Amino acid sequence: DAKTTQPNSMESNEEEPVHLPCNHSTISGTDYIHWYRQLPSQGPEYVIHGLTSNVNNRMASLAIAEDRKSSTLILHRATLRDAAVYYCILRDVGIHSGYALNFGKGTSLLVTP
Amino acid sequence: DAGITQSPRHKVTETGTPVTLRCHQTENHRYMYWYRQDPGHGLRLIHYSYGVKDTDKGEVSDGYSVSRSKTEDFLLTLESATSSQTSVYFCATQGTTMNTEAFFGQGTRLTVV
Repeated sequence: DAKTTQPNSMESNEEEPVHLPCNHSTISGTDYIHWYRQLPSQGPEYVIHGLTSNVNNRMASLAIAEDRKSSTLILHRATLRDAAVYYCILRDVGIHSGYALNFGKGTSLLVTP
Repeated sequence: DAGITQSPRHKVTETGTPVTLRCHQTENHRYMYWYRQDPGHGLRLIHYSYGVKDTDKGEVSDGYSVSRSKTEDFLLTLESATSSQTSVYFCATQGTTMNTEAFFGQGTRLTVV
């Protein structure tokens, strides 16, 4: 499986934008980039995903580099509730392993008032 | 939110006893997964199911078995619990196409003493 590399931790001030980076230099052409987050004492929840183009939804934006070897999850205005571990995950449409998500250690985001 | 219920939410059991965790979904999702999460690790896949009576092993399947006799229920059994199986267990579901989001339960905290 193609791997992702994320910083172990990041810190942000409340109400400021947050840019969470992810490197995936061995990404294949059929890999989608998925982001999930896990709030304390909860199961992971879906944030966003994309293939080549930048994507926006109500939670966040996903900026994908032109060569697809890196991506950035953007939280436009961090709130205290956004403090969580954020996972960047590659998902290959061509592999039928039940489509399971391969979680790494993620980035622990701390949001301070 | 997807209707995923894990039971029990907490359990303490003795070494050597069998334990069964249940995941129940109301979304009619085809795919179901069991993960475990330990300190210092992301979520690791134990077993998954791609349909009724269709299951396969994940990354850390030793000591675990699963069954899926109905679409809505996915059972995880620890045949003879060991202290190394003390963990938080998460169930997840996903619809038919892999580019849909996965939904996670709230987790079961299992302690083997």
